Amino acid sequence: EVQLLESGGGLVQPGGSLRRSCAASGFSFSNYAMSWVRQAPGKGLEWVSTISASGGSTYYADSVKGRFTISRDNSNNTLYLQMNSLRAEDTAIYYCAKGRSGGRVTTAMDVWGQGTTVTVSS
Amino acid sequence: EIVLTQSPGTLSLSPGERATLSCRASQSVSSSYLAWYQQIPGQAPRLLIYGASSRATGIPDRFSGSGSGTDFTLTISRLEPEDFAVYYCQQCGTSPLVTFGQGTRLEIK
Repeated sequence: EVQLLESGGGLVQPGGSLRRSCAASGFSFSNYAMSWVRQAPGKGLEWVSTISASGGSTYYADSVKGRFTISRDNSNNTLYLQMNSLRAEDTAIYYCAKGRSGGRVTTAMDVWGQGTTVTVSS
Repeated sequence: EIVLTQSPGTLSLSPGERATLSCRASQSVSSSYLAWYQQIPGQAPRLLIYGASSRATGIPDRFSGSGSGTDFTLTISRLEPEDFAVYYCQQCGTSPLVTFGQGTRLEIK
């Protein structure tokens, strides 16, 4: 079964850091682009970041550029999101998602993790 | 920057009726890069349609997508109780890499 299992959520103070992890199973992780998408309480979906299958190319929303870093470990089938300089407006459920179409970064997301909450508050 | 505007914001219909949801882009989007998702409250989004009109694996054929350029449509031919949810369109490929619409809430009348 294709599965994405997330961990690393929680409560953090403004200005703090947090690292999210997403463990993949049931597919050839190294062959697919991966993304992070978030959803603030009561709001819609917001794309955060995408990484190519090899990890050589990364893309960010303007709202997180320079503060968040996406990375992957293809030997351990794990996706990461390092979040620094966190702000209250980063409070959201964070989902990891698998690209549908092989190594393309311009692709729909066909498998999603369960999502975990990051709360930025003092 | 491409902006996706979905309409209506809320759609109230009864089971068995037909639902038509709209997604309009601020500039032309390649059909290859237009997708639709369903999100039931408390759950992760689920991919319904990719490439504007191709159903994802396991999606019932009552869901269909159409459109090109700046106007795209998601149609649910006969609503089932489990279809009442929030629907999002998404484009990828033009800076920013990914954009979502604000969502259409489909509620039971």
